[in-house]
Amino acid sequence: QSALTQPASVSGSPGQSITISCTGTSSDVGGYNYVSWYQHHPGKAPKLMIYDVSNRPSGVSNRFSGSKSGNTASLTISGLQAEDEADYYCSSYTSSSTQVFGGGTKLTVL
Amino acid sequence: EVQLVQSGAEVKKSGESLKISCKGSGYSFTSYWIGWVRQMPGKGLEWMGIIYPGDSDTKYSPPFQGQVTISADKSISTAYLQWSSLKASDTAMYYCARRSFDTYYMDVWGKGTTVTVSS
Repeated sequence: QSALTQPASVSGSPGQSITISCTGTSSDVGGYNYVSWYQHHPGKAPKLMIYDVSNRPSGVSNRFSGSKSGNTASLTISGLQAEDEADYYCSSYTSSSTQVFGGGTKLTVL
Repeated sequence: EVQLVQSGAEVKKSGESLKISCKGSGYSFTSYWIGWVRQMPGKGLEWMGIIYPGDSDTKYSPPFQGQVTISADKSISTAYLQWSSLKASDTAMYYCARRSFDTYYMDVWGKGTTVTVSS
């Protein structure tokens, strides 16, 4: 199974909104509403930000939102803040009963 | 507090065996899956496999099938990731993470175990 496709990097200024895409196939992203997103600051444990496409865990800012259309899921961060600078990974359940991550996107807050 | 505590950093030579651990606390260990995730230096996260300690049901991502073994000892709330013969390419950070029985997202993560393999 191949990794899901994410842009290598995105950037935005404080206060702006950015969107990170995550493209898979009908055997993963398109076939199930089980896409999750993780924020990863280097040297720390990854943190769950969105689950089941668009749900936010308790404690995650409502500036983070998720959506899906066909084989592509998206993470949108509104009102960018300096602390949002991190790597972001999408993940999906697959038809093989496993999971797969995206290649990761480095978010830079200018 | 729910937490996963991983074993310490390891430095090994090619060909050696290794078993790293992930101990769960603060929740019912047998009611959640424990997954393992690799991050090679400068690279992204890779989903390796997962085990359900309640019945030891285990699933591996195809690239890792046959390369590693995932196991668990529910009597001590600990999951393991092991190699029988390490390669230099196994050098990476390894994270364990918890996944609820009927969900497909990892909600609690360990801090990671660094494995360095020299040739």
